[in-house]
Amino acid sequence: SQQGEEDPQALSIQEGENATMNCSYKTSINNLQWYRQNSGRGLVHLILIRSNEREKHSGRLRVTLDTSKKSSSLLITASRAADTASYFCATRGFGNEKLTFGTGTRLTIIP
Amino acid sequence: NAGVTQTPKFQVLKTGQSMTLQCAQDMNHEYMSWYRQDPGMGLRLIHYSVGAGITDQGEVPNGYNVSRSTTEDFPLRLLSAAPSQTSVYFCASSPHITGGDGYTFGSGTRLTVV
Repeated sequence: SQQGEEDPQALSIQEGENATMNCSYKTSINNLQWYRQNSGRGLVHLILIRSNEREKHSGRLRVTLDTSKKSSSLLITASRAADTASYFCATRGFGNEKLTFGTGTRLTIIP
Repeated sequence: NAGVTQTPKFQVLKTGQSMTLQCAQDMNHEYMSWYRQDPGMGLRLIHYSVGAGITDQGEVPNGYNVSRSTTEDFPLRLLSAAPSQTSVYFCASSPHITGGDGYTFGSGTRLTVV
């Protein structure tokens, strides 16, 4: 069963706008990670946030984590056509080497 | 080039055939894993390894075997292919077995079982 559930399943926005994707999970986590997958390619690690962190930034990416609500959000600011991809959240538990993925959000940036 | 290398990129098998998907990494990563990706289901963990000689089952291990004789290689064997194993397979690795490291993924193997 999937640990993470992304919302929305699909999102289309105009280039330059901000894109927000959400992830909810079920059990306690050590960290939560976001990945990007371009069509037909492997996943690329974007950012990792630990359970004791609330917010993290990397370039145009901003990730928040609310462990009380078991949820995370990924914000991509000033979107570009190259941001068109699927985005996955993944969680890692305590004492658990495994990374469990959600079903992903398909983001389309309209030029 | 440092990274995770998967071969082949594409494969068509007949039902009942066996084959091995290869995965190699040159980053001296301890942890390696295999996922399958199916439409609408995200990535599901098949098997993983926390070091040479150590493997364990993931969420969907049936029909697959793995071994880890070296740090670098983590092959996935399909014992008797079934149409339900049609999928895209990804190998991934990370430096340590616990803690805060992202995974490095291979480019995938697209397998069709007819």
